[in-house]
Amino acid sequence: DAGVTQSPTHLIKTRGQQVTLRCSPISGHKSVSWYQQVLGQGPQFIFQYYEKEERGRGNFPDRFSARQFPNYSSELNVNALLLGDSALYLCASSLWAGTGGPTYEQYFGPGTRLTVT
Amino acid sequence: GQQLNQSPQSMFIQEGEDVSMNCTSSSIFNTWLWYKQDPGEGPVLLIALYKAGELTSNGRLTAQFGITRKDSFLNISASIPSDVGIYFCAGQGAQKLVFGQGTRLTINP
Repeated sequence: DAGVTQSPTHLIKTRGQQVTLRCSPISGHKSVSWYQQVLGQGPQFIFQYYEKEERGRGNFPDRFSARQFPNYSSELNVNALLLGDSALYLCASSLWAGTGGPTYEQYFGPGTRLTVT
Repeated sequence: GQQLNQSPQSMFIQEGEDVSMNCTSSSIFNTWLWYKQDPGEGPVLLIALYKAGELTSNGRLTAQFGITRKDSFLNISASIPSDVGIYFCAGQGAQKLVFGQGTRLTINP
């Protein structure tokens, strides 16, 4: 079975530009989360989506946005890129049991390496 | 952002030795997870823990969910070269994962 897939693998952008990253979850998983991992640190939570709705948001500026499609794939958009946005962007998928229900483990994709120059 | 306190930050061991690392938090988590990350890859789930006091094994890996729900440890027995990498603990609450800073494991053959 295919795991979480992400595209592109690598990306180089210039300050001020905009970028869109894509993620396809594991088949049967309806929840997608996005994380930013700066070199030498653990991943930081950006967003979680379920059924096309935002279910959670981390401490990131409004330049970061995301959406989920009917097939449960997702896109992460970052506007007005800064040098500090250079990082590995990870997508994770999981099952969902609803608010208040049991939590399920998250499985990560290989990530998209974004370099901002 | 919020992070868990993971220690040690790095370990240099001989092949065949046992390894122990731990993670502590000021917050309670309902689920603890341990991941391993190789260079240029995403984190791979090793063990998930769901109950306080739970002890779970996966091959040579053993992890425990602390009774206070604020800590967890991971042990690796009889280390082999492919164990090299960065190990992350993560606490899960409200669908969001909070990660430790990672423990970098280096093995001398």
